[in-house]
Amino acid sequence: DSGVTQTPKHLITATGQRVTLRCSPRSGDLSVYWYQQSLDQGLQFLIQYYNGEERAKGNILERFSAQQFPDLHSELNLSSLELGDSALYFCASSARDAPYNEQFFGPGTRLTVL
Amino acid sequence: EDKVVQSPLSLVVHEGDTVTLNCSYEVTNFRSLLWYKQEKKAPTFLFMLTSSGIEKKSGRLSSILDKKELFSILNITATQTGDSAVYLCAVEGNDMRFGAGTRLTVKP
Repeated sequence: DSGVTQTPKHLITATGQRVTLRCSPRSGDLSVYWYQQSLDQGLQFLIQYYNGEERAKGNILERFSAQQFPDLHSELNLSSLELGDSALYFCASSARDAPYNEQFFGPGTRLTVL
Repeated sequence: EDKVVQSPLSLVVHEGDTVTLNCSYEVTNFRSLLWYKQEKKAPTFLFMLTSSGIEKKSGRLSSILDKKELFSILNITATQTGDSAVYLCAVEGNDMRFGAGTRLTVKP
């Protein structure tokens, strides 16, 4: 158990819908990262927050957005969902900002878009 | 464009064998290279490397980074069936970039 929690574990929804994925980092960690893992794309970095501020952006679509709240939990919002958005979404946390960026991954949220 | 390339993509060995997994990279503003092990669930952290030539070791696993040649290797000695997993290399530059992984299968 990494200490990172993600909810929900599974999510099944329809195309065009909007969902919110939630992540609570390990106690004391200030950085939160979001990743998407699909069979054909591997693990893709989406976005990083550090102490409430956006720090780095990867391959995140405009339909996706995220934020980190004052209590350091984070939410990833996915809207206008498409079939191709079906994937495992991981959240990871680390104590500090880059570098020295040892990350601990949560169990993931499996999103299925029908 | 930044990229991380792992080789081989897949490897099948027998218990007791030694394996070497490779990770080469081209990233802007290199900060660190990380190795993860992923079984059926979330990746678990193995090593973080920031300096060339300094070997990191944990039991039967070890890793080293060459910042001049832009690659890292992960060695596993005396492999066991429990080592079967996908091994991911990630490089932190301006963002985090993962390789496609090496799927290691260790047969009894």
